[in-house]
Amino acid sequence: QVQLQESGPGLVKPSETLSLTCTVSGDSISYYYWSWIRQPAGKGLEWIGRIYVSGSTNYNPSLKSRVTMSLDTSRNQFSLKLRSVTAADTAVYYCARENGDYVVDSWGQGTLVTVSS
Amino acid sequence: ETVMTQSPATLSVSPGERATLSCRASQSVSSKLAWYQQRPGQAPRLLIYGASTRATGIPARFSGSGSGTEFTLTISSLQSEDFAIYYCQQYNDWPPTFGGGTKVEIK
Repeated sequence: QVQLQESGPGLVKPSETLSLTCTVSGDSISYYYWSWIRQPAGKGLEWIGRIYVSGSTNYNPSLKSRVTMSLDTSRNQFSLKLRSVTAADTAVYYCARENGDYVVDSWGQGTLVTVSS
Repeated sequence: ETVMTQSPATLSVSPGERATLSCRASQSVSSKLAWYQQRPGQAPRLLIYGASTRATGIPARFSGSGSGTEFTLTISSLQSEDFAIYYCQQYNDWPPTFGGGTKVEIK
């Protein structure tokens, strides 16, 4: 059974870069698509983007100018970088596995990232 | 971007009763519609995809229907563990978008 675990700083200063890593166990990231989704407190879900082993990415147009995703097959990890953050980027960030058709079948537990000075 | 609207925002139901949740898309998404359940403090869990196909391990009391712009999630007999927030998600176009959620609470 696949397991996903997010890691990274829980506090980021405004205008800096948010960096998160997702470690995948129980499956190889050489298969499937891998995504980041976020959820501000008390609000709904927003898809940030996804990456495939080929390096192909799809980013949400609302965040595209600030997002970079990458993956490391040797460590079975994939990562998110979100630049120039503001308080509006404060959220629980989930890493997820999706089936290639944008259906998420496995989620990490989520990590809260707060943007504050 | 396709906007997903869920109703009602909150649904109060007694255990053992039936719950019917609605999801509307701002344009047709065919049958590319998923439902997720999110319990407090937990990540969402996939319930339904393809509008009506239950995900692995999901009990038969959960059923989905609809196509185009109107969708329904039905929970036939609510169990204690079903009190949660439910989100619909379209994946017909990029980016995939979620509804605002329906909270199912104990009446």
